[in-house]
Amino acid sequence: SQKIEQNSEALNIQEGKTATLTCNYTNYSPAYLQWYRQDPGRGPVFLLLIRENEKEKRKERLKVTFDTTLKQSLFHITASQPADSATYLCALAPYKLIFGAGTRLAVHP
Amino acid sequence: NAGVTQTPKFQVLKTGQSMTLQCAQDMNHNSMYWYRQDPGMGLRLIYYSASEGTTDKGEVPNGYNVSRLNKREFSLRLESAAPSQTSVYFCATRGATNEKLFFGSGTQLSVL
Repeated sequence: SQKIEQNSEALNIQEGKTATLTCNYTNYSPAYLQWYRQDPGRGPVFLLLIRENEKEKRKERLKVTFDTTLKQSLFHITASQPADSATYLCALAPYKLIFGAGTRLAVHP
Repeated sequence: NAGVTQTPKFQVLKTGQSMTLQCAQDMNHNSMYWYRQDPGMGLRLIYYSASEGTTDKGEVPNGYNVSRLNKREFSLRLESAAPSQTSVYFCATRGATNEKLFFGSGTQLSVL
């Protein structure tokens, strides 16, 4: 069956450093992949979309890579800030989006 | 412009009771979705509606029914609530297949 894996352990980093989150998937060939941010008690908010023919996508301090051979996407936040602390979710599929469980990021001053 | 509105925000039910979760969107989107979110499980699709008048099962439809009342509204009904349905429920909409989802703020449901 289709499976998406994100690091279940929280990622703790120092302010100013680059945070890197991983999304691995199996038994699927998605046309594109999306990343969302979720704050406690709130619904997820869309951040970035990357298509299967794109290796990398950037938006301000965010960068996403998509390796269809490794079946992996990496999500980077450069110059991280405490306000970046949240749970980050990856999602696959062209129609019925399938979500990973998310990785909680904590950026410490 | 409210986006996606879910009601209620919180609800406590006893086992066997029924209730309907409401979702309304003012974004003129065709597709609407219901997800549940449990700790460590991520978001799991319950039902979705590609357009007014159509609904389809997602990954975890058992114990739920849905109604796409019109283009704006998509409701989720629990006919006989069970403790396993304790969860946070999110409604979402999307304009086109390759576009992002817009989520509501969620309904926290506890079934005792």
